[in-house]
Amino acid sequence: ILNVEQSPQSLHVQEGDSTNFTCSFPSSNFYALHWYRWETAKSPEALFVMTLNGDEKKKGRISATLNTKEGYSYLYIKGSQPEDSATYLCAFTGTASKLTFGTGTRLQVTL
Amino acid sequence: KAGVTQTPRYLIKTRGQQVTLSCSPISGHRSVSWYQQTPGQGLQFLFEYFSETQRNKGNFPGRFSGRQFSNSRSEMNVSTLELGDSALYLCASSLGGGGVPYEQYFGPGTRLTVT
Repeated sequence: ILNVEQSPQSLHVQEGDSTNFTCSFPSSNFYALHWYRWETAKSPEALFVMTLNGDEKKKGRISATLNTKEGYSYLYIKGSQPEDSATYLCAFTGTASKLTFGTGTRLQVTL
Repeated sequence: KAGVTQTPRYLIKTRGQQVTLSCSPISGHRSVSWYQQTPGQGLQFLFEYFSETQRNKGNFPGRFSGRQFSNSRSEMNVSTLELGDSALYLCASSLGGGGVPYEQYFGPGTRLTVT
């Protein structure tokens, strides 16, 4: 059984704070690592798909890094805003199409 | 471009009944995956269809089945419903071919309640 773990489970930060979360996954048979943002009452939205060791991806104030040899990925949010409040999910794939999700990090950003 | 649609959005069924959920992918997407989300469990992979063939399957009992039609629309069926099947069922579509890890685009989900 594949184990994808995310930490912390939840996080409460003030507007303007920078924050980061961790996703750990099996380092063997790695194919890709996905990050999704899931806002309440909406559908999960893809942030990044990462495949190469050492990959770094960025979208606005959000960035992610990948270490496939040790089996972890970090998601960073710079200068958090209330609209960043969501659950952030990572998902590991050992094949092209089957995603194994972690249980997510729930971020709440307050004014 | 229209997003992924799922019908119905909400459903209440009784134990022992069966249910069929429908998913229409983004135009041009040939892969449809289904997930179950229950409190505390996260998203659990059910199965994935590509070009009308089941390509991957998760660890769910045989009561859960699916199919995909030639227009890429997919249905998921759960027979002999149990209370534990109450969950949010999400489908996601992607381009899906060529061994590339494409992003998946999720629908709004069907909330199933079994009483």
